[in-house]
Amino acid sequence: GENVEQHPSTLSVQEGDSAVIKCTYSDSASNYFPWYKQELGKGPQLIIDIRSNVGEKKDQRIAVTLNKTAKHFSLHITETQPEDSAVYFCAALYQGAQKLVFGQGTRLTINP
Amino acid sequence: DAGITQSPRHKVTETGTPVTLRCHQTENHRYMYWYRQDPGHGLRLIHYSYGVKDTDKGEVSDGYSVSRSKTEDFLLTLESATSSQTSVYFCAISESLWVSGYTFGSGTRLTVV
Repeated sequence: GENVEQHPSTLSVQEGDSAVIKCTYSDSASNYFPWYKQELGKGPQLIIDIRSNVGEKKDQRIAVTLNKTAKHFSLHITETQPEDSAVYFCAALYQGAQKLVFGQGTRLTINP
Repeated sequence: DAGITQSPRHKVTETGTPVTLRCHQTENHRYMYWYRQDPGHGLRLIHYSYGVKDTDKGEVSDGYSVSRSKTEDFLLTLESATSSQTSVYFCAISESLWVSGYTFGSGTRLTVV
């Protein structure tokens, strides 16, 4: 069935280091993969997304990679800063679906 | 969040009382969703709508009903609130899932005592 697995559930890194969050999806026909950042007390916000016809996408310090063969995609944050501390959710859009399927979330903490 | 408003932002209610949460959008988007967020459970879909009067159940729909009589409003009703429905509720909207995914509201924190 529709499923997205996200790892790790918590991640702690030193300021300035890189952080990587990985997600695996189950339907090879999935075609859209957004990432959301949720700060404390707020709703999730889209930070980057990737479509199935692209292998990598970058936006300043964040990047997303997609491996369609292995059915996984990853969020990379470089030169982490305190404001990167948040919960991050990956999601997948299964072909023909009218809703996103979310991973369980990763709580990222940046240590000064 | 621009274009989407949830009300109320906070509510405390007693067990057994009916509760209605409102999601209002000014974007004229086709799709609207209700999620609940609880520690350790991520975002769980309650109900969603793909047009006026067109709704469908999500993974945790028991105890909830929804209505969408016009494009801009999507109402979530707890017919008889229970303590297990204490949660943070998020509304989301989308024009085209493939193009831009969801835009989430700021959430409603509901406490059932």
